[in-house]
Parts: sequence; C-alpha cells; structure tokens
Amino acid sequence: KQEVTQIPAALSVPEGENLVLNCSFTDSAIYNLQWFRQDPGKGLTSLLLIQSSQREQTSGRLNASLDKSSGRSTLYIAASQPGDSATYLCAVRSYNTDKLIFGTGTRLQVFP
Amino acid sequence: SQTIHQWPATLVQPVGSPLSLECTVEGTSNPNLYWYRQAAGRGLQLLFYSVGIGQISSEVPQNLSASRPQDRQFILSSKKLLLSDSGFYLCAWRAPDRHTGELFFGEGSRLTVL
Repeated sequence: KQEVTQIPAALSVPEGENLVLNCSFTDSAIYNLQWFRQDPGKGLTSLLLIQSSQREQTSGRLNASLDKSSGRSTLYIAASQPGDSATYLCAVRSYNTDKLIFGTGTRLQVFP
Repeated sequence: SQTIHQWPATLVQPVGSPLSLECTVEGTSNPNLYWYRQAAGRGLQLLFYSVGIGQISSEVPQNLSASRPQDRQFILSSKKLLLSDSGFYLCAWRAPDRHTGELFFGEGSRLTVL
C-alpha cells in the first residue's frame, strides 16, 4: 500500500530564502508525482508534474526533482516571497491504479 | 481551455438532512472525475471516481454516494448527513486514457453539519 509522507509539516522563513520541501513514498512503482499548492479555504493548484521517466521539472522559481529508487521528491523554491505562503502537497499515482495518494502537506509561511 | 466548477461553495446543514454537491467540467470530453474529502488536520481522501457516464467507483464505505448523469457532470449526494460528513469536498478531473495526465481541482465546497 502506497504511503506518502511530507517533511516538515510546517515551515516559517524570512523572505528571500531558498527552500526545500520533502516528499517520500513507500512504493517506487509510480506513474508520476504531482506537486500542488493550496491556499487557505481554496482548492488545489497544480504546480509541477513529474513523470516516472523524468528526474526533474522546472517552472519559474520552482524546481521539483524525483528519485524513484529512493522514493523521494523535493520541491525547491528559490528566493521565497510572502506570496509563496500556502500549504504544499505532493501526490503520487502508482501503477495499475487511477488514484492519487496524497501526503499531508507542508504549511509554509514566508514573512517580510 | 478547461475549467472546473463546484457549487455550492459553502453549505451548513443539520444532521439527517440530504446533500447534493455538484461539479461540472468545461472544455474537455470524457474526463475522469473524482471526489475527494479533506477533513480538518487530515490529508485528502479519495471518495469516488468515474471514468464515464454512469460508471462510479467507491473507495470508502460511507453514507455518501456519487452519480455521473452527464459526461462532464459529477454529483456527490447523501440522503441523511452525519456530523462526521463535515469537511472540505474537492472535485477533480484529468484527461482520459492518460495515466501520465495531470490532475486539476475545483475550488471546493465546505460542508458543515450541525
């Protein structure tokens, strides 16, 4: 059974710092891994999707890496801004399933 | 471009009352559709998913049900709500036949059962 863990659960940093959010999963047989952002009381916004054959994806100040063999993904946020404050969730889709399994998220606060 | 809509955005209902949450997707055909629930302090739990009209798969036993009367419409229902049904309900879609496809979410419906 696939399990997804995110560390840390919460993070508070000053503006301008480079950040690394971690996601680990127990079953390495995955189709893809997706990172989302959730603002309070809102739905999830897709940030990056990494296919199982890829090692990283980049979008603006965001870079996500994938190491299937070790069951890990990291989301790197460069030069953090207060507008980056949100909860970040990772989710994996395993083979032979139509389900995404979510981690419980990292709540990020970036203060000016 | 594709969009997904959910309503109502907020709902307060008494225990034992019925429920109907609606989700529609625009700009795509034959999407895979999903209902997730996000309870306070917990992760997202998949409740139902559908790969076509009238085709519903249930992931957890509960007093909720789902229906897909049209290609791009997904409805979450209950005949009698329980206190434990309170939570944030999220509808999502992805393109069919693409296991590598990206999942997109609606804005969510917050249900409070009193």
